[in-house]
Amino acid sequence: AQKITQTQPGMFVQEKEAVTLDCTYDTSDQSYGLFWYKQPSSGEMIFLIYQGSYDEQNATEGRYSLNFQKARKSANLVISASQLGDSAMYFCAIARNDMRFGAGTRLTVKP
Amino acid sequence: NAGVMQNPRHLVRRRGQEARLRCSPMKGHSHVYWYRQLPEEGLKFMVYLQKENIIDESGMPKERFSAEFPKEGPSILRIQQVVRGDSAAYFCASSSDRDDEKLFFGSGTQLSVL
Repeated sequence: AQKITQTQPGMFVQEKEAVTLDCTYDTSDQSYGLFWYKQPSSGEMIFLIYQGSYDEQNATEGRYSLNFQKARKSANLVISASQLGDSAMYFCAIARNDMRFGAGTRLTVKP
Repeated sequence: NAGVMQNPRHLVRRRGQEARLRCSPMKGHSHVYWYRQLPEEGLKFMVYLQKENIIDESGMPKERFSAEFPKEGPSILRIQQVVRGDSAAYFCASSSDRDDEKLFFGSGTQLSVL
């Protein structure tokens, strides 16, 4: 069984600063994928970044980077230079045969 | 280059009626997943289908809920005799391969049961 835990129900960050959203997971699989999705108030799910369990380097996609620590089973999302449009719910997910999501973190970027 | 298409975007039903939610995966995708999201909560896995086959339905309620993905046409999530607790956003996602492939999501169907 796979489990994802996001311990921060809500986070605030000042515009232009960096923010880290926490994600820990539990799985007995050796091969799996870790994902972050953004869900703005409009409701759609937007893929942000992916990390494979065997990838040695941390994934980066523009202002998003994934701080992957396999031994600690954590896959934190780092957003650099926050923008007002980053305000949204952020979901961490783990996938092996299907995808399971955490409860989400609501990020609010303050001007 | 259409993405995952879900319809309707909003669906209102009275208690006891049937709800049918449709999902057309991205072109070339043969794997479909259904998720349910309650307000302020994460997405809960319901069912994973490939063409004409249910692969994993461990998240589906045992009664009233069914899903199909026929050879031709969209995937359908059917909820019979809806109750107020069924009110939620239902998301469909598709992928082209099963292993570690990111899911592309539709915009969801908001089901409201009166």
